Amino acid sequence: DQQVKQNSPSLSVQEGRISILNCDYTNSMFDYFLWYKKYPAEGPTFLISISSIKDKNEDGRFTVFLNKSAKHLSLHIVPSQPGDSAVYFCAACWRGSGNTGKLIFGQGTTLQVKP
Amino acid sequence: DVKVTQSSRYLVKRTGEKVFLECVQDMDHENMFWYRQDPGLGLRLIYFSYDVKMKEKGDIPEGYSVSREKKERFSLILESASTNQTSMYLCASSLDPGKTQYFGPGTRLLVL
Repeated sequence: DQQVKQNSPSLSVQEGRISILNCDYTNSMFDYFLWYKKYPAEGPTFLISISSIKDKNEDGRFTVFLNKSAKHLSLHIVPSQPGDSAVYFCAACWRGSGNTGKLIFGQGTTLQVKP
Repeated sequence: DVKVTQSSRYLVKRTGEKVFLECVQDMDHENMFWYRQDPGLGLRLIYFSYDVKMKEKGDIPEGYSVSREKKERFSLILESASTNQTSMYLCASSLDPGKTQYFGPGTRLLVL
């Protein structure tokens, strides 16, 4: 049972345009969400996170939006740059009392930004 | 900066061999994790440890075991490697299981 789903395996955008990566989750207990970026032959690196008490978090060109009622989050990259080409994983966890809080990852979306 | 290192970047082993993958972190993190990454499946948790000598099964522990004798070191063991264990193996550590995890560079294992 895939609790965190990234339904688009790949996305291609033009340099300078907006990239929107989507993620859906099924467990309403999740209260913390993260995005990771992974280049080939490297480990994932943390990009941005959001707590369930917020609906938006921004860090430079990266913004994460959370829609709890739809159990959906998205990562916006504006403007997109060729160096953003990578695999993006969303992850979720439940940090409530008594829970181990381990991260559940989506399948990943490969973003290609064309010059 | 947190540094997580893994003993090998690439490994080639034969079916039936015992395989050790080692991971070391330098940030005194309590929690350490082993994942495998396969195309279309994302990162799947194999085992994690929240303290020395403590371990818990993740989502796909079958065929694997782990060892955590020291806080900074977490080893993944494939008792008898099989071809379906060919994968990218990623180690991570964190201060808190529900907080940011820091990943090593990964070990690409090929089992022939």
